[in-house]
Amino acid sequence: EAGVAQSPRYKIIEKRQSVAFWCNPISGHATLYWYQQILGQGPKLLIQFQNNGVVDDSQLPKDRFSAERLKGVDSTLKIQPAKLEDSAVYLCASSVDRGRTEAFFGQGTRLTVV
Amino acid sequence: TQLLEQSPQFLSIQEGENLTVYCNSSSVFSSLQWYRQEPGEGPVLLVTVVTGGEVKKLKRLTFQFGDARKDSSLHITAAQTGDTGLYLCAERSYNTDKLIFGTGTRLQVFP
Repeated sequence: EAGVAQSPRYKIIEKRQSVAFWCNPISGHATLYWYQQILGQGPKLLIQFQNNGVVDDSQLPKDRFSAERLKGVDSTLKIQPAKLEDSAVYLCASSVDRGRTEAFFGQGTRLTVV
Repeated sequence: TQLLEQSPQFLSIQEGENLTVYCNSSSVFSSLQWYRQEPGEGPVLLVTVVTGGEVKKLKRLTFQFGDARKDSSLHITAAQTGDTGLYLCAERSYNTDKLIFGTGTRLQVFP
């Protein structure tokens, strides 16, 4: 079974530029998550989708971050404009459904803002 | 805002030693999961605990869920260098079903 695919793996941009990350979850998984992980810390939930609807986006800085999940499958996370403090690893995960099910993670995108 | 506190934040031990890491919350968990994350990879699920007082074993790893379902521990017996990584607890919110991670414990096992 193919895992969660994320691209790109690495991205370096200057502050105030925009960037987009892409995630392809495991086929058939209804729930999709985007996390931000600062080096050495636990992942922070940015947004959680159930199919193509948003379950929670309370931690998403909506003035600069946006995310969508078209047709309840692939998802993109965008940052515009980027700030230095956005430097982090952005992890995408998916699970079969809500509840006690396991979340499967991609390898993440490491973003460096200079 | 992180609601799950893990301790210790860092742990550096030699092979063969035992260790325990803790996960605490001020609220009751719906369910609690433990993940391990290696450098350059995403977290991988180790176990899910659901019932208060529950104990689960995975080879040298023992997971315990507090009776009141507000805390959990992970005990590793005779640590190996392959146990090195970031250990994360994660809870499902009762109300919103969000998957929230703790602050993490970084374990380094030296030969």
